[in-house]
Amino acid sequence: GNSVTQMEGPVTLSEEAFLTINCTYTATGYPSLFWYVQYPGEGLQLLLKATKADDKGSNKGFEATYRKETTSFHLEKGSVQVSDSAVYFCALRSYGGSQGNLIFGKGTKLSVKP
Amino acid sequence: EPEVTQTPSHQVTQMGQEVILRCVPISNHLYFYWYRQILGQKVEFLVSFYNNEISEKSEIFDDQFSVERPDGSNFTLKIRSTKLEDSAMYFCASSTGTLLSTDTQYFGPGTRLTVL
Repeated sequence: GNSVTQMEGPVTLSEEAFLTINCTYTATGYPSLFWYVQYPGEGLQLLLKATKADDKGSNKGFEATYRKETTSFHLEKGSVQVSDSAVYFCALRSYGGSQGNLIFGKGTKLSVKP
Repeated sequence: EPEVTQTPSHQVTQMGQEVILRCVPISNHLYFYWYRQILGQKVEFLVSFYNNEISEKSEIFDDQFSVERPDGSNFTLKIRSTKLEDSAMYFCASSTGTLLSTDTQYFGPGTRLTVL
């Protein structure tokens, strides 16, 4: 079945450090891929998405490229800020068949220190 | 910016009691969802709802669970007889439903359910 695996946290970085959060997936067909972020006390917010192979999603300095050959969708940011401290969730959504429920990874907690 | 709202933010109940979790989806959205996250585990899909009926449900969504859109704005999740293992954060989401594979689901802040 479809599944998402993302790196275990927590991840602690200093401000302005480079961030990578790994995400790999298993899916039949051609899924769409998403990164959601959950700031403390808030709901899940869409950070970025990519709907086909080689697409790059980007938002707020974060990027992720849909790599079909490695079934990956790693999240990167060149210079993190304290305000990026949150839990990040990788997710996929299958195309066709399903009515579109999201399948999530376990989440990676990021703490950025000043 | 429109947002999904959920009430209450935290619900404490005794095992065996019924609970109703409430959600107000974004007003022009047509698809509604419930997900849950048990502490330390993945966010899991429970059910999706469209045109006043369930369109898909997971294995978790057994006979103890039901969903309803009682009026034009609310979307509710009822757990008939809560169990300890129902303790989790429950998220409501909604989407326009224009193209399901790429459609963005907008999530509420969640209701933390604690079953004692």
